[in-house]
Amino acid sequence: GENVEQHPSTLSVQEGDSAVIKCTYSDSASNYFPWYKQELGKRPQLIIDIRSNVGEKKDQRIAVTLNKTAKHFSLHITETQPEDSAVYFCAAIIQGAQKLVFGQGTRLTINP
Amino acid sequence: NAGVMQNPRHLVRRRGQEARLRCSPMKGHSHVYWYRQLPEEGLKFMVYLQKENIIDESGMPKERFSAEFPKEGPSILRIQQVVRGDSAAYFCASSPPIGTTGQGGYTFGSGTRLTVV
Repeated sequence: GENVEQHPSTLSVQEGDSAVIKCTYSDSASNYFPWYKQELGKRPQLIIDIRSNVGEKKDQRIAVTLNKTAKHFSLHITETQPEDSAVYFCAAIIQGAQKLVFGQGTRLTINP
Repeated sequence: NAGVMQNPRHLVRRRGQEARLRCSPMKGHSHVYWYRQLPEEGLKFMVYLQKENIIDESGMPKERFSAEFPKEGPSILRIQQVVRGDSAAYFCASSPPIGTTGQGGYTFGSGTRLTVV
């Protein structure tokens, strides 16, 4: 089955700097890659996603890139703000399947 | 649209009791997934259901855990004879079929935090 690895497990950046979180997946049949943000004690919320027919997608300060050949995808947050502090999860789903497989999560801390 | 509704939000059970967690998917969603999250850990897949069918239960412990999604009513995750190790947050998510135009991700409920004492 699919396996998703996420790095780093913790990340601390200064407010205003950029943050990058990286994930790799094992199954080349995976074709959908969402990113979720989970604040303390709350539900995971979808913040951005990308499909395998696209190499990059951007939404304001958040962008995701996908390298199908290398089987990795990354989340980029620019001009970080204190409210970006949370745990971020990447995930992947195999074409034709329904089960999302999550990475281990990255705890992002934005230092003022 | 009320989103994915889970109840109760918090549940305390003594060792050996049964825990029942409920999940009502978003309107129009026919797929339900249950995930378990231990403190400071990630989301571990447990089971995927459609109405009246278990599609994938590869993440469910073989004993004490069961899930259903009846034709009418919410999906239920049942844990029998709970032990302290069952203490976790249990999240339910729902989705339309993957690939439906404009939709692809799951929507999560607020979770049920189970504490076994």
